[in-house]
Amino acid sequence: GENVEQHPSTLSVQEGDSAVIKCTYSDSASNYFPWYKQELGKRPQLIIDIRSNVGEKKDQRIAVTLNKTAKHFSLHITETQPEDSAVYFCAALAGSGYSTLTFGKGTMLLVSP
Amino acid sequence: GAVVSQHPSWVICKSGTSVKIECRSLDFQATTMFWYRQFPKQSLMLMATSNEGSKATYEQGVEKDKFLINHASLTLSTLTVTSAHPEDSSFYICSARGIMNTEAFFGQGTRLTVV
Repeated sequence: GENVEQHPSTLSVQEGDSAVIKCTYSDSASNYFPWYKQELGKRPQLIIDIRSNVGEKKDQRIAVTLNKTAKHFSLHITETQPEDSAVYFCAALAGSGYSTLTFGKGTMLLVSP
Repeated sequence: GAVVSQHPSWVICKSGTSVKIECRSLDFQATTMFWYRQFPKQSLMLMATSNEGSKATYEQGVEKDKFLINHASLTLSTLTVTSAHPEDSSFYICSARGIMNTEAFFGQGTRLTVV
């Protein structure tokens, strides 16, 4: 089955700095890669996703890059703000319909003012 | 995005009793629902995957007789924790996906405390 590795497990940055979280996946058939943000005690929320036919996607301060050959994808947050502090999860999905999303172990991001 | 409602948000129960958690997709048909367990400061651990009208597929190490999952309709799945013990105390969260969607929408989660 799919295996998703996520690094780092914790990341501390100063407000205004950039943050990068990296994930690798094992199943070359995976074609959808979402990123979720989970604030303490709340449900994970989708913040950005990318499909295998695209190499990069950007939405304001966040961007995701995908390298299919190397089987890794990354989340980039620029100009970080304290409200960006949360746990971020990457995930990978092979196929659609009944296929399962496999999550990374999460990265706790702390943005200090 | 689509809405997934999970109920209850929190529950306290006595050891040995059973607790039922509901997960509803409010504005789409969820052909697949996923149940996760999350320990503090840890990732989402997939417990089982349920497809509407079929028996749930449980992940290795998850007791199917203890965590009963029913997905009887395209909008409702339930997780019943039977004969709950304190070690079952955790945050349980469901997610749902329609046949045409790759995105999974999460319920708000249920904080279970067994005393």
